[in-house]
Amino acid sequence: GENVEQHPSTLSVQEGDSAVIKCTYSDSASNYFPWYKQELGKRPQLIIDIRSNVGEKKDQRIAVTLNKTAKHFSLHITETQPEDSAVCFCAASIRHNFNKFYFGSGTKLNVKP
Amino acid sequence: DGGITQSPKYLFRKEGQNVTLSCEQNLNHDAMYWYRQDPGQGLRLIYYSQIVNDFQKGDIAEGYSVSREKKESFPLTVTSAQKNPTAFYLCASTLGSGGADTQYFGPGTRLTVL
Repeated sequence: GENVEQHPSTLSVQEGDSAVIKCTYSDSASNYFPWYKQELGKRPQLIIDIRSNVGEKKDQRIAVTLNKTAKHFSLHITETQPEDSAVCFCAASIRHNFNKFYFGSGTKLNVKP
Repeated sequence: DGGITQSPKYLFRKEGQNVTLSCEQNLNHDAMYWYRQDPGQGLRLIYYSQIVNDFQKGDIAEGYSVSREKKESFPLTVTSAQKNPTAFYLCASTLGSGGADTQYFGPGTRLTVL
């Protein structure tokens, strides 16, 4: 099955700096790559997602890039704010006959004021 | 977001006891999922269901059971066969059962074994 690896496991940045989190996947059939943010004890919430037919997607301070050849995708956050502090998860989904999601182990992002 | 509800928020289980976690959605989504989350780890799939009266085992189904009698509801039972059930349980749904659909999560149930 699919294997999603996420790095780094923790990331501390100064407010205003950029943060980059990277995920790799193993199955070339994966075609949908969401990123979620989860605060302690709360539900994961979608930050941004990208489908395999595009290489980059941007939403204000947040962007995701996808390299299908190398099988990796990355989350980029610019001008980080303390409110961005949370655990970020990546996921990959394979469309066979069902939308099954495989999650990375998470990155604890700490934005220091 | 608010279209998926889970109850209870906190649940305590005694040794040898079965407990059932509720998950309801009013999004008219076809597919529903149950995940387990342990501290410092990602989400692991327990069971999923594409349509009513049909469900499949995920990666860690042992000690768990589900039912899908209604489109809106996908309850999870943690049986006494699950030896280490203490975890945060998340229910999720997607609009369709195929294709790259966004997955929405419920607020979670934290289960603790006494």
